[in-house]
Parts: sequence; C-alpha cells; structure tokens
Amino acid sequence: QKEVEQDPGPLSVPEGAIVSLNCTYSNSAFQYFMWYRQYSRKGPELLMYTYSSGNKEDGRFTAQVDKSSKYISLFIRDSQPSDSATYLCAFASGGYNKLIFGAGTRLAVHP
Amino acid sequence: GAVVSQHPSRVICKSGTSVKIECRSLDFQATTMFWYRQFPKQSLMLMATSNEGSKATYEQGVEKDKFLINHASLTLSTLTVTSAHPEDSSFYICSAIPGVNQETQYFGPGTRLLVL
Repeated sequence: QKEVEQDPGPLSVPEGAIVSLNCTYSNSAFQYFMWYRQYSRKGPELLMYTYSSGNKEDGRFTAQVDKSSKYISLFIRDSQPSDSATYLCAFASGGYNKLIFGAGTRLAVHP
Repeated sequence: GAVVSQHPSRVICKSGTSVKIECRSLDFQATTMFWYRQFPKQSLMLMATSNEGSKATYEQGVEKDKFLINHASLTLSTLTVTSAHPEDSSFYICSAIPGVNQETQYFGPGTRLLVL
C-alpha cells in the first residue's frame, strides 16, 4: 500500500463548477496536511496548510481533513480557468521533516 | 514573504560537464532547505535535505558524489550535478522552511536541466 494515494486525473470541469480533490494516506504519524498548486514548468505554490481535523477556508478554497479516515480534500468553489494546474497533497510528520507528496491531480477548467 | 529563488531557471549543457544550481531564500533565513527532482507528469521526488553548516542528508538511491549539495549560509544552498548525463535531465526544485518550529515548505520556481 502506498503511503499516499491521489488520483492523477486529468479532471476537466466547466468554469464555475465546484471541484473536489482528494488524497488518502496510511501513515498515522502524519500531523501536517498541505495542498500545493503547481502550474506547468513552475515550482509548487502553497495553497492551504492545516494540522487538525475539520475544515479550513481561504477564499474560494476549503481544505478538509478527516484523521480518523485518513482522508483529506480540497474544494474549489466557482472554479476559474486560472485554476487549471496540478494540485498536490503533501504530508509531514513533524517540524523540519520531509514532505511526502501525492502524485498530483491535473485539473483543467474550461470556459 | 517567504520567497525562494533559483538560478538559473534553465540550463543546457554537454554530457560530462558539471552544472551548479543555486537556491536562495530572499526574505528569510532558512536553516533547512530541500532539493527535489521532478520528471514530466510526475510528482516531486525528494533528493536530499540540506542543513546549514553540516552535511546534507541524501535519500536512498541518490548518489552523494553525483549530486553535491552545499548549504554555506542561511540563505543559500547549491546543488551541483557532476559529470552530467542525459538521464540527469529533469526539473530540479528547491524548497526552504522559514523560521523555527515551522512545517511548511516554500518552493523555488525550479531549474530545468537538459543534458545533451
């Protein structure tokens, strides 16, 4: 079993749709949960970061963590063509520890 | 804040030559930096953890003598690909952690290496 599972997509949605991106993990030691967005040929950009179960909202983005089910999600409301990118979930078990990344989900939002 | 830069952004070199990539934290000090490589349509693969003033910690399967890492100051880490070969062609990305007791990593824009 992989430590992190993330559907690579691609996921294609119309502009304005609600997008749901998901990752599952198996390592109970993970304490920190992150979502990064990566545009083609660019470095990843931190979108959301949380360390507790529940929801965290930032503008059109909501990160959800369910530690009991070892499942995290990123929701994007009112999706825009500029949201078209690869979204990577990432996990860490402690400060200064290496990040474990999911495979990344490619999202395309078409006008 | 938390801006990380890389130089160069793109480099093309001949097989057998060495290439140095710089990673700088522009507005913070970073005792720990990380180096990743990424192949097309794949996720990031951690190569090594770079600690200021000490030797880097390499991931299993990464050749220490081929990928030399130097973290000489709190704002600069370098990755040197020695005797580069075409299979070393990849996208190399660094990241840094700002501050103490931080977990989030901020990434540089990446360096695309093409070895001919």
